[in-house]
Formats: sequence, structure tokens, C-alpha cells
Amino acid sequence: DAKTTQPNSMESNEEEPVHLPCNHSTISGTDYIHWYRQLPSQGPEYVIHGLTSNVNNRMASLAIAEDRKSSTLILHRATLRDAAVYYCILRDLRGNQFYFGTGTSLTVIP
Amino acid sequence: DTGVSQDPRHKITKRGQNVTFRCDPISEHNRLYWYRQTLGQGPEFLTYFQNEAQLEKSRLLSDRFSAERPKGSFSTLEIQRTEQGDSAMYLCASSLRVKRGFTEAFFGQGTRLTVV
Repeated sequence: DAKTTQPNSMESNEEEPVHLPCNHSTISGTDYIHWYRQLPSQGPEYVIHGLTSNVNNRMASLAIAEDRKSSTLILHRATLRDAAVYYCILRDLRGNQFYFGTGTSLTVIP
Repeated sequence: DTGVSQDPRHKITKRGQNVTFRCDPISEHNRLYWYRQTLGQGPEFLTYFQNEAQLEKSRLLSDRFSAERPKGSFSTLEIQRTEQGDSAMYLCASSLRVKRGFTEAFFGQGTRLTVV
């Protein structure tokens, strides 16, 4: 049921930028692209979301392709606390159920 | 209000017993979702509510599972005749209806169920 595909794992050095890709080729016009992350033994935590335009917040940036079939979550300076599983999810305006894939496990190397 | 609260955080039960979990969403959040997560997998959708109405149930939710949200506030998830395959983290999330749709979902810390 998940409509997104992500690499299983990625590594980054501490204090370097990280680009986490996501493909969502079947995205519909009403789907927002949401990113969540999950630290060990915790529930998922909202990171950012967008529809068409690139978005920035205090946690990250979201770059959305022009055709909306892919997006990239950008962590500008990875810290050890950013080590988590990152999920890219499509969610519509109606607040219906949404589906997680297996996400990308990010390892941050000191 | 500090967020979505789930109780208990951990539950160990013997196979065949019934268990019930509680979720208290963020106050005034209309939507409430239940997910199940096993080790190494992403959360799997189980069911969700709009206020007290249960809108959808996943096919993962067998007849041993039942969820309620009687007054549109807290919700309970009951598993009857537990099996070892029910061992998982059970996550609850809530979101609020706003002018242009719904806010992001806020998740609780989950209830970890171990069936022995």
C-alpha cells in the first residue's frame, strides 16, 4: 500500500549535509509529501511536508521535483541526534489513512 | 497538552489472554489513527476514526481486534486471544482538522506488546 520508495540505508558524516531521496511516481494532485522520522524506541515524529514548492523549517528542507514524482529531504548539517529511520509518505487533504514504507535508516558517523 | 499519550508503554501477556491499550490524543484532534509496527518494518495502518466514527479498518485487523473511540476523545484497542504474532509496537496518532485539510499526524510513544 505504500506509494513511495526510498533507499534502505544511508550514511553521513557528522556536520555534513544529507540528502535523502524519495520516489513517488504515482502521486496524485491532492497528495502532500510528508516526511517523518523515527528514533529508536519512539513513535514517528513529523519533520516537514510540502505540495509543490520547496519548503524550509527549523529541522530540514524539502525539495520537490517539478513533476512531483520525487522529492529530497535535506538535513543541512547532520548531527548524531539525526540518526533515525526517515519515512517519506503521501497524505491527502482529507486526512485519510496514510501508509509507511520501510524508510531510510540514516547513520551519522562522528 | 503535551501530546499523544499511550498506556501502558509495555505489556507482556500470555498467549490466549486479552489485552487492551489506551490512546489519549491531543485535545480537540478529530482524527485518531492506530498503527502496528514490527521490528525492522515501517508502521502498518490498522484503523482510524473521525471523532467517534470508525472510518476504515485494514485487512490486517482480524476479528480478534477491535477499536473504539466512544466519545470522540480517547480510544482503546483490544486484542482478544492474543497470539505470538501479535507481538509488536502499537502506535496511536492524532491530527486536527483545519481550514485546508488536516494537520500533520502526532504520534504517541507506542505500547510494546510481547506475547509469550
